Amino acid sequence: DIQMTQSPSTLSASVGDRVTITCRASESISSWLAWYQQKPGKAPKFLIYKASSLESGVPSRFSGSGSGTEFTLTISSLQPDDFATYYCQHYSSYPYTFGQGTKLEIK
Amino acid sequence: QLQLQESGPGLVKPSETLSLTCIVSGGSVSSSSYYWGWVRQPPGKGLEWIGDIYYTGSTYYNPSLRSRVTIFVDKSKNQFSLKLSSLTAADTAVYYCARRQGIPKDSFDIWGQGTMVTVSS
Repeated sequence: DIQMTQSPSTLSASVGDRVTITCRASESISSWLAWYQQKPGKAPKFLIYKASSLESGVPSRFSGSGSGTEFTLTISSLQPDDFATYYCQHYSSYPYTFGQGTKLEIK
Repeated sequence: QLQLQESGPGLVKPSETLSLTCIVSGGSVSSSSYYWGWVRQPPGKGLEWIGDIYYTGSTYYNPSLRSRVTIFVDKSKNQFSLKLSSLTAADTAVYYCARRQGIPKDSFDIWGQGTMVTVSS
């Protein structure tokens, strides 16, 4: 199975900050990577696919980049609604696996 | 607008079989190019893909659960279901049903609200 490792596990930031979350794959997954946002007690929300393509309706302050084994999710200017847990997920081959999550907290 | 809603028991005994159903509204499980799947999340932990079924009926399961999992579609009721057998406490989790699109997205773009399942005697 391909393992996905996110860093950091927790990130403290303030409204207006630019933040970056990293996701590393244990082997190359080309660009077959998605990002999700999850708030407590809610289902995950789909944000980005194919590493850098924004899902319709997702604010443009979210962006993704990377290919191969290293990927990033960047939020250009944090808004209060962005404080949540973020997960990456590869879809290069079965089984699809998720990263362990990065919790974005208010500083 | 497509919506998914899970239903099933909140409490199941160890060694028994869990049966969950996902009701699809605002769309059809027979739609081409979509997969219908299940993802679970133990309390306080991350997400685990369980498996999914293509509109053709082909199934894809996580190898870690394959011996215990069955996913099937009921087109007449526009729903799909999950059966997970030989339950243990480690299967306690929130279970989500979700739609997965094919390439290039191939990701879970629409999710149900989730249903908490506790395995306990």
